[in-house]
Amino acid sequence: QVQLVESGGGVVLPGRSLRLSCAASGFTFSNSAMHWVRQAPGKGLEWMAVISYDGTNKFYTDSLKGRFTISRDNSKNTLYLQMNSLRAEDTAVYYCASATTVTTLDYWGQGTLVTVSS
Amino acid sequence: QSALTQPASVSGSPGQSITISCTGTSSDVGGYNYVSWYQQHPGKAPKLMIYEVSHRPSGVSNRFSGSKSDNTASLTISGLQAEDEAAYYCSSYTTSSTLVVFGGGTKLTVL
Repeated sequence: QVQLVESGGGVVLPGRSLRLSCAASGFTFSNSAMHWVRQAPGKGLEWMAVISYDGTNKFYTDSLKGRFTISRDNSKNTLYLQMNSLRAEDTAVYYCASATTVTTLDYWGQGTLVTVSS
Repeated sequence: QSALTQPASVSGSPGQSITISCTGTSSDVGGYNYVSWYQQHPGKAPKLMIYEVSHRPSGVSNRFSGSKSDNTASLTISGLQAEDEAAYYCSSYTTSSTLVVFGGGTKLTVL
């Protein structure tokens, strides 16, 4: 069955960097676009970024451009999110999701919590 | 502020039907049939319930249905059950630079 397992979350100081990973199994990772979505405590879902199946196309929500980078390694079935210059407002659970059509997020991981705090 | 507008909460009694709306613009909901709906129970990951306006993934109950009229998409849940109590989010493709937008979410309470 499809499994998406996020890792790399934790507590980080403001201004520092963090890289999240999402290990995929149970489907053909190299055929699927992949998304990152986050959810601040007690808030709704916020779409963050998507990367095409081969990594050549990437889209980001406007508020993240320049600070966060989505990437993938199809040889390792792994999706990444590099987060730089972290701020308190980046505190959230970060989910990865697969997409058989680019904008339909059909399977989701369990999420990893990132807390930005001094 | 979310790009798509949903009511903050809806409620219904077991066995009843409820409808959750999701209002956007011609640049997203109204212009394309790429509206999805997700269910999220507290502390859990979201789950896809409806895609491309009205299609149900395998395994999703046929009590869940989706539709769209102009710039507003709707999720209808018939025969409400206690397990349906959750938050529901709509999303849509958008022609803005971001590609995907979510609604603010609707908390469904089964009375």
